[in-house]
Amino acid sequence: KAGVTQTPRYLIKTRGQQVTLSCSPISGHRSVSWYQQTPGQGLQFLFEYFSETQRNKGNFPGRFSGRQFSNSRSEMNVSTLELGDSALYLCASSESPGLAVFNTGELFFGEGSRLTVL
Amino acid sequence: AQTVTQSQPEMSVQEAETVTLSCTYDTSESNYYLFWYKQPPSRQMILVIRQEAYKQQNATENRFSVNFQKAAKSFSLKISDSQLGDTAMYFCAFPPFQGAQKLVFGQGTRLTINP
Repeated sequence: KAGVTQTPRYLIKTRGQQVTLSCSPISGHRSVSWYQQTPGQGLQFLFEYFSETQRNKGNFPGRFSGRQFSNSRSEMNVSTLELGDSALYLCASSESPGLAVFNTGELFFGEGSRLTVL
Repeated sequence: AQTVTQSQPEMSVQEAETVTLSCTYDTSESNYYLFWYKQPPSRQMILVIRQEAYKQQNATENRFSVNFQKAAKSFSLKISDSQLGDTAMYFCAFPPFQGAQKLVFGQGTRLTINP
């Protein structure tokens, strides 16, 4: 079974631009979540989607948004980029609670998209 | 609030030694899972081991084992016979509530195994 796939792996943008990152979950996984990883703040939860609906959102400004498609693939978008948005953006997928006998909360991560804002 | 604290930002040991990474957490839940994830340099994060809070027996996975102290809210990871491939960032994490599809992570411990 293929793992979580994130594209692009690396990208460089300038301040004020916007960026879209893509994530394809493990086949059969219907929940997709996004995390921002920086040296200073560590891993911070951005949002989580299930069945095309955002169920949880972290403490990030409205410039950060996302969506999920009917095939469970997800995208996140950051508009009006700032230098502080430079980070590794990790996508993770998991089984939905409705399918798991006991939802362990285990996440399966992609390799991440490393965004550099100049 | 659910929090996770890893008090050791960096650790370094010689190959074949045993090393223990510390983690404490805070939660009001009575039943939950705890995880240790490993993030090798420039590679994806993978699950190392998990512990179910209602199980008193400590989880083990080959050279990896945990010391779970529920009352103390402590969840340390022991790596025996460490190998060069164990060099990575290690994160302690847990879901903030049962059924949550997100994890709260500690700040991580950067572990270096020296030859």
